[in-house]
Amino acid sequence: DIQMTQSPSTLSASVGDRVTITCRASQSISNWLAWYQQKPGKAPKLLIYKASTLESGVPSRFSGSGSGTEFTLTISSLQPDDFVTYYCQQYNNYPWTFGQGTKVEIK
Amino acid sequence: QITLKESGPTLVKPTQTLTLTCTVSGFSLTTTGVGVGWIRQPPGKALEWLALIYWDDDKRYSPSLKNRLTITKDTSKNQVVLTMTNVGPVDTATYYCARRLLSRASSYDFWGQGTLVTVSS
Repeated sequence: DIQMTQSPSTLSASVGDRVTITCRASQSISNWLAWYQQKPGKAPKLLIYKASTLESGVPSRFSGSGSGTEFTLTISSLQPDDFVTYYCQQYNNYPWTFGQGTKVEIK
Repeated sequence: QITLKESGPTLVKPTQTLTLTCTVSGFSLTTTGVGVGWIRQPPGKALEWLALIYWDDDKRYSPSLKNRLTITKDTSKNQVVLTMTNVGPVDTATYYCARRLLSRASSYDFWGQGTLVTVSS
């Protein structure tokens, strides 16, 4: 299985901050990477797919980059609604695998 | 409007078989490129990918659970069913179903609300 490692596990930031979350794959996954946002008690929501393609309806402050084994999710200016948990997921090889999650909390 | 909805028991006893149903609307399970998968999340933990079935009946499973999982679809009912045998307390989780479209080159774009299953005697 491909291991997905997110860092940091927790990120403390303020409204308006620019933040970056990193996701590393244990082997190359080309650009078959998705980012999800999950609010407490809710299903994950697709933010970005193919590493950098913004899902329809997702605010442009979210962006993704990377290929191969290293990927980033950037939020250019944190909004109050963004203080939740984010997951990366590879879909290059079965079984698809998720990162362990990054919780963005208010500093 | 695309929706997926999970249904099944909320409480299951250890060693029993768990059967979960995902009822979809707004798209067809027979459309080329459509896939529906199952993902679970134990309380307070990360997401875990379980299984995926495609329009052509291609099926994929998590190797660590493959011996216990079966995924099927009933196109007449617009349903995808996941069966898990010999459950234990570690299988306590919220179970989600979600759609994949090959044509979008994305992962899961639409998710159900999830259903919490507790395994306990």
